[in-house]
Amino acid sequence: QKEVEQDPGPLSVPEGAIVSLNCTYSNSAFQYFMWYRQYSRKGPELLMYTYSSGNKEDGRFTAQVDKSSKYISLFIRDSQPSDSATYLCAMVQGGSEKLVFGKGTKLTVNP
Amino acid sequence: DTGVSQDPRHKITKRGQNVTFRCDPISEHNRLYWYRQTLGQGPEFLTYFQNEAQLEKSRLLSDRFSAERPKGSFSTLEIQRTEQGDSAMYLCASSYGNYNEQFFGPGTRLTVL
Repeated sequence: QKEVEQDPGPLSVPEGAIVSLNCTYSNSAFQYFMWYRQYSRKGPELLMYTYSSGNKEDGRFTAQVDKSSKYISLFIRDSQPSDSATYLCAMVQGGSEKLVFGKGTKLTVNP
Repeated sequence: DTGVSQDPRHKITKRGQNVTFRCDPISEHNRLYWYRQTLGQGPEFLTYFQNEAQLEKSRLLSDRFSAERPKGSFSTLEIQRTEQGDSAMYLCASSYGNYNEQFFGPGTRLTVL
């Protein structure tokens, strides 16, 4: 079993839809959780960074962490064609510097 | 542009050749990381520097791989005697202080023929 599981998709939605992306993990030592967006042949771009369980909102993006279920989510409201990319979840143990990534979910938002 | 920069962006080499990549982190970021990403996978951690000290290395980093960060600024990653399995995107990231927020560069795409 991989430490971080993420459905690779692909996921295709119409413009304006609410998108839900998810990851599960097995290592209860993970304390910090991140979402990155990666456009084709580019480096990952940090979108959201969370520490505790609960929700964090930034514009159209909401990150949700449920440590008891070992489950994290990213919601995108009013999705735009420019949101079309691969979304990677990543997490790290306290005291470590090693990010552990999911495989990424490829999202396409159709105009 | 004050982000992480990497050079070259693309490298095509023949099996058995040595290659070297360079990463310039965000100014004043004291931590620097190397990751490798293959098609359809998330990045995998290779190694990490705090200033000039290499503090952690993944078992993915075989003896053919070596990374340096002299003077705690830019870093180089060298792969000796390249193999076709080394073909991947090599990503560099940097961060500052006590935070784990890592900011990535555009990557170097290596193709080994």
